[in-house]
Amino acid sequence: DIQMTQSPSLLSASVGDRVTLNCKASQNINKNLNWYQQKLGEAPKLLIYYTNNLQTGIPSRFSGSGSGTDYSLTISSLQPEDVATYFCFQYNSGNTFGPGTKLELK
Amino acid sequence: EIQLQESGPGLVKPSQSLSLTCSVTGYTITSGYDWSWIRKFPGNKMEWMGYIRYSGSTNYNPSLKSRISITRDTSKNQFFLQLNSVTTEDTATYYCVRYQVYYGFDYWGQGVMVTVSS
Repeated sequence: DIQMTQSPSLLSASVGDRVTLNCKASQNINKNLNWYQQKLGEAPKLLIYYTNNLQTGIPSRFSGSGSGTDYSLTISSLQPEDVATYFCFQYNSGNTFGPGTKLELK
Repeated sequence: EIQLQESGPGLVKPSQSLSLTCSVTGYTITSGYDWSWIRKFPGNKMEWMGYIRYSGSTNYNPSLKSRISITRDTSKNQFFLQLNSVTTEDTATYYCVRYQVYYGFDYWGQGVMVTVSS
């Protein structure tokens, strides 16, 4: 089974900051990775598919990158509405979510 | 607009079966996609449970394979989750979701919280 880890588990940042969230797979997942955002009390929302493709309607300040076992989600200029928990998800072999990174405002 | 809506009991006793319904509007579940169930445990862990494909085939998380069944009623455009022999560890918020490999889980229901307790 492929295991996913995310770091940091909690990130505090200021409005306007560039923030990077990391996701690491236990083996090569061939870029078969999505990113999801979940705000408190809401269902998760798809942000990025296949590592670096922005879902329709998602602001361009979100971007994804990575390959092999290491992936990242970057927010170029943090906005108050970005406070949420972010999950990565691999579908290369089986289907596994990462444990999440909680993003809060400093 | 595509919408998914979960329904079912919010409280289930240990050893019983958990049964949930997902009603889909705005898209016919036999036209395409994988119709999935995902759950989120207290403490934030997310788990993909399984799906029923538009063709009717199913795929389950191996960790649940002996307890889970996903079926559908195409006349009502609904699909269903049954999880047998539940324990308190099955307490979670359950989501029904539309999925396509590569493109991800793009439409989600609002989620239904299910507590397993005597």
